[in-house]
Amino acid sequence: DAKTTQPTSMDCAEGRAANLPCNHSTISGNEYVYWYRQIHSQGPQYIIHGLKNNETNEMASLIITEDRKSSTLILPHATLRDTAVYYCIVFFSGSARQLTFGSGTQLTVLP
Amino acid sequence: NAGVTQTPKFRILKIGQSMTLQCTQDMNHNYMYWYRQDPGMGLKLIYYSVGAGITDKGEVPNGYNVSRSTTEDFPLRLELAAPSQTSVYFCASSGRTDTQYFGPGTRLTVL
Repeated sequence: DAKTTQPTSMDCAEGRAANLPCNHSTISGNEYVYWYRQIHSQGPQYIIHGLKNNETNEMASLIITEDRKSSTLILPHATLRDTAVYYCIVFFSGSARQLTFGSGTQLTVLP
Repeated sequence: NAGVTQTPKFRILKIGQSMTLQCTQDMNHNYMYWYRQDPGMGLKLIYYSVGAGITDKGEVPNGYNVSRSTTEDFPLRLELAAPSQTSVYFCASSGRTDTQYFGPGTRLTVL
């Protein structure tokens, strides 16, 4: 699985959009970009994933660059409950595989 | 749907004791996983299963055993508990989309 690079920490004002970047320059053509978050030692929570196209669901939007070497997770209206560690994971689909959680980005939403 | 449930939430064991961590999913997923997360660290895969009756080792299987007699259940057995097994244990499952959904975790302390 390709390696990912994320900033260690970010702050965001409550109600504003939180934009979390991720670099995955060695991603291969059939690897997906997944985003999870973990709130204070709770179980990791799936947010969104994509292959090439931008994706949106009820939680977030995922923007993947055309060359697929980087992506951005967007939380459109951050709340205090979105404070968590966010993990960008590149994952080869199609079989049971270990998710490799790197260091992630600690997002702190400020009141 | 309850998703992935784990019991117990917390447990304290003495060195040398044994216990079984329970995991159940109600999403009819074929794949199930056991991870451990040490303080401040990422998740490491212990064992996984691709279906009833089929299990395989992950990155850190020593000191653990698993079984998968039904689609829903994937218990993790600790034999002869050691302080190094103090950790938070997460069970996860995935279906056709390969997205892994996690349980709330079991916090285990071995003294």
